[in-house]
Amino acid sequence: DAEITQSPRHKITETGRQVTLACHQTWNHNNMFWYRQDLGHGLRLIHYSYGVHDTNKGEVSDGYSVSRSNTEDLPLTLESAASSQTSVYFCASSESRTGVETQYFGPGTRLLVL
Amino acid sequence: KQEVTQIPAALSVPEGENLVLNCSFTDSAIYNLQWFRQDPGKGLTSLLLIQSSQREQTSGRLNASLDKSSGRSTLYIAASQPGDSATYLCAPKGNYGGSQGNLIFGKGTKLSVKP
Repeated sequence: DAEITQSPRHKITETGRQVTLACHQTWNHNNMFWYRQDLGHGLRLIHYSYGVHDTNKGEVSDGYSVSRSNTEDLPLTLESAASSQTSVYFCASSESRTGVETQYFGPGTRLLVL
Repeated sequence: KQEVTQIPAALSVPEGENLVLNCSFTDSAIYNLQWFRQDPGKGLTSLLLIQSSQREQTSGRLNASLDKSSGRSTLYIAASQPGDSATYLCAPKGNYGGSQGNLIFGKGTKLSVKP
């Protein structure tokens, strides 16, 4: 079955370190997204991609970057981790070529920045 | 900028009740609207997607309606069960390019169904 996976599922890091969160989907979807979920804020869009080599900033992109070199993967990099980036991160994908665009989510990565 | 409100924030009902979860949004220029459930510590599971041209969608005991002009969607759950306990999120997708052309999430309704 097609799926979307994230790794690691849990991560503890220190302030100032670079961290990369992996996202891999086997749906062959053209769209991929990164969100963060925080109490009181709900889900907020960090970055998104509509295809290979395409990346765009979302609502809360400062301090984050992404690159898309193939269809299946969209890694999220925190350039210099800050305590404010402690959160749960979700990756998602959707297919726009069918016109329906149901979005499917991964299981999430819990990140703690000390 | 799209704003999404879900009322109530939390709901506790006895098993077997029929219930309605509400979602309102400020910008009616939407492409579709999706309802999700989220179990504690888990990712989001898509329940229903309603296209902007549709009025409702049904899946099993779930029925979602959309009134785009008034900026409202409801999720109806029939004969609720303890396994329905979760947080329910609605997310309209803007009919724009750029960031506003993506899903905007409400903060959810936390549902608890008591046996």
